[in-house]
Amino acid sequence: ETGVTQTPRHLVMGMTNKKSLKCEQHLGHNAMYWYKQSAKKPLELMFVYSLEERVENNSVPSRFSPECPNSSHLFLHLHTLQPEDSALYLCASSQAGTGRGTEAFFGQGTRLTVV
Amino acid sequence: KNQVEQSPQSLIILEGKNCTLQCNYTVSPFSNLRWYKQDTGRGPVSLTIMTFSENTKSNGRYTATLDADTKQSSLHITASQLSDSASYICVVRSNTGNQFYFGTGTSLTVIP
Repeated sequence: ETGVTQTPRHLVMGMTNKKSLKCEQHLGHNAMYWYKQSAKKPLELMFVYSLEERVENNSVPSRFSPECPNSSHLFLHLHTLQPEDSALYLCASSQAGTGRGTEAFFGQGTRLTVV
Repeated sequence: KNQVEQSPQSLIILEGKNCTLQCNYTVSPFSNLRWYKQDTGRGPVSLTIMTFSENTKSNGRYTATLDADTKQSSLHITASQLSDSASYICVVRSNTGNQFYFGTGTSLTVIP
């Protein structure tokens, strides 16, 4: 276990549904991330939260809405998704900054299927 | 443009054999480079992390090298085991901001 926990592990939702993915870390990190991993593609950085403030949004569609209520919890709210949004969604956390000691720790991911 | 490229895309080797995976990057300014192992359907797990001044780093049967001048890294796996079957991802971190750049990974299959 990496210390980063994601729930649920699997999720099947219709295009009109609203659901949320949850990520929790107790590593004392102050930065958290959402990534999307589609088949045969590199990890796509979706959102970065550093010190609980969103500092970067890689032009992700508005049907994905992140929330970071505190440094230990991160949510990804989903609504009116498309089938092409089906993917593995990974949460990661790290210490903000660069250099040693800022390694990212990943959760196990949520396998999302949009039908 | 900041990019990370890995080769080969996929690799099949016999159990007990050695193999080497390659990573080339154009990320600048460079902070550090990590190799991750990702089992199917699970999150990546860190194998090694290397900064600018480090040339070689070992973690058990995994040995990573870094040439910051040519912007190349390799991951060498010795005496492969069936459990080494996974995707190996090279990740380069820029020295500005919380930005990670991911390679597409090398899919390794170890067969008995």
